[in-house]
Amino acid sequence: DIQMTQSPSSVSASVGDRVTITCQASQGISTWLAWYQQKPGRAPKLLVFAASNLQSGVPSRFSGSGSGTNFTLTVSALQPEDFATYFCQQAHSFPYTFGQGTRLEIK
Amino acid sequence: QLQLQESGPGLVKPSETLSLTCTVSGGSINSNSYYRGWIRQPPGKGLEWIGTIYHNGRTYYNPSLKSRVTISVDTSTNHFSLKLSSVTAADTGIYYCARLGGSYSAYDVWGQGTTVTVSS
Repeated sequence: DIQMTQSPSSVSASVGDRVTITCQASQGISTWLAWYQQKPGRAPKLLVFAASNLQSGVPSRFSGSGSGTNFTLTVSALQPEDFATYFCQQAHSFPYTFGQGTRLEIK
Repeated sequence: QLQLQESGPGLVKPSETLSLTCTVSGGSINSNSYYRGWIRQPPGKGLEWIGTIYHNGRTYYNPSLKSRVTISVDTSTNHFSLKLSSVTAADTGIYYCARLGGSYSAYDVWGQGTTVTVSS
């Protein structure tokens, strides 16, 4: 199985800050990577697919990049509604696997 | 707007079979462009991929669950289902059904999730 490792596990930031979350795959996955946002009590929401493609309706302050084994999700200017947990997911091969999550908290 | 909704018992006894149904409304996912999947989340933990079924009925399962899991689809009713046998307390969690975009392999539509507790 491909292991996905996210860092940091949690981060504190303020409204307006720029935040970057990283995801590392245990082997190359090309750009078969997605990012999700999950708020408490809610289902995950797709933000980015194929490493850098913004899902329809997702604000442009979110962006994804990377290929191979190293990926990033960046929020350029945090808004109050962005405080949540973020997961990466590889779709290169079955079984699909998720990162352990990064909790973004208000400082 | 396409919506998915999970349904099934919220409490299952150890060693029994967990059975959940995902009802699709507001559209159909009976297309070559989309597949169907199940993902679960233990209490307070991360996401675990359970499996996916393609439009042709081909299934892919998490090896950690493979001997116990079955995903099936009823195209006539726009439902798809999950069965997990011989459950233990480790199977407790929130279960989500989701649509998988075939061209980009990401889950773009999710059900709200249903909580399943395994306990006697």
